[in-house]
Amino acid sequence: EIVLTQSPATLSLSPGERASLSCRASQSVGSYLAWYQQKPGQAPRLLIYDASNRATGIPARFSGSGSGTDFTLTISSLEPEDFAVYYCQQRGNWPPYTFGQGTKLEIK
Amino acid sequence: VLLVESGGGLVQPGRSLRLSCSASGFTLGDYAMSWVRQAPGKGLEWVGFIRTRAYGGSTEYAASVRGRFTFSRDDSESIAYLQMNSLTPEDTAVYYCTTHMGAYDFPDYWGQGTLVTVSS
Repeated sequence: EIVLTQSPATLSLSPGERASLSCRASQSVGSYLAWYQQKPGQAPRLLIYDASNRATGIPARFSGSGSGTDFTLTISSLEPEDFAVYYCQQRGNWPPYTFGQGTKLEIK
Repeated sequence: VLLVESGGGLVQPGRSLRLSCSASGFTLGDYAMSWVRQAPGKGLEWVGFIRTRAYGGSTEYAASVRGRFTFSRDDSESIAYLQMNSLTPEDTAVYYCTTHMGAYDFPDYWGQGTLVTVSS
């Protein structure tokens, strides 16, 4: 089973700053990685699929990169509504479709 | 596109519960579905996957639920089901149904979730 490790666990930044979130896979998942955003009391929302493709309606400030085992979600300039928990998920080697443990992006 | 889960609640250990996921705004039968759960204050856990009838409606399960949980779907009624047997306190979570509508085959539409609490 592929393990996804996200870092950091918590990231404290201010609005307007750039955020970089990491997701590392225990073995290659190719480009089959997605990123989700979850706000308190809400279901997750798909942001990025296949490592670098924005889902429908996702603002251009969100971008994804990477392949194989190392992936990054970048938010170019943080908006107040971007503070949330972010999860990566892989389907490169499934089942299972594993999730990372999450990165909490909080306001500094 | 709307997914609405129901059927959650408090259940004793060892008992069973069936969750429903009602779909509207699209043809459920055209898409695969995943179930994902989230224990209180914890991260997301993939529970499993059910393919469309075109692919035999076959299923995949996480190791933690295999043999206890069963997915099914009634495409004519636009409802999917998660039958949960032999529940343990570790199954306490919000359960989400999701669909895979994009060709990229990741869960993209999610319901609001339903809370299952397993406790005596």
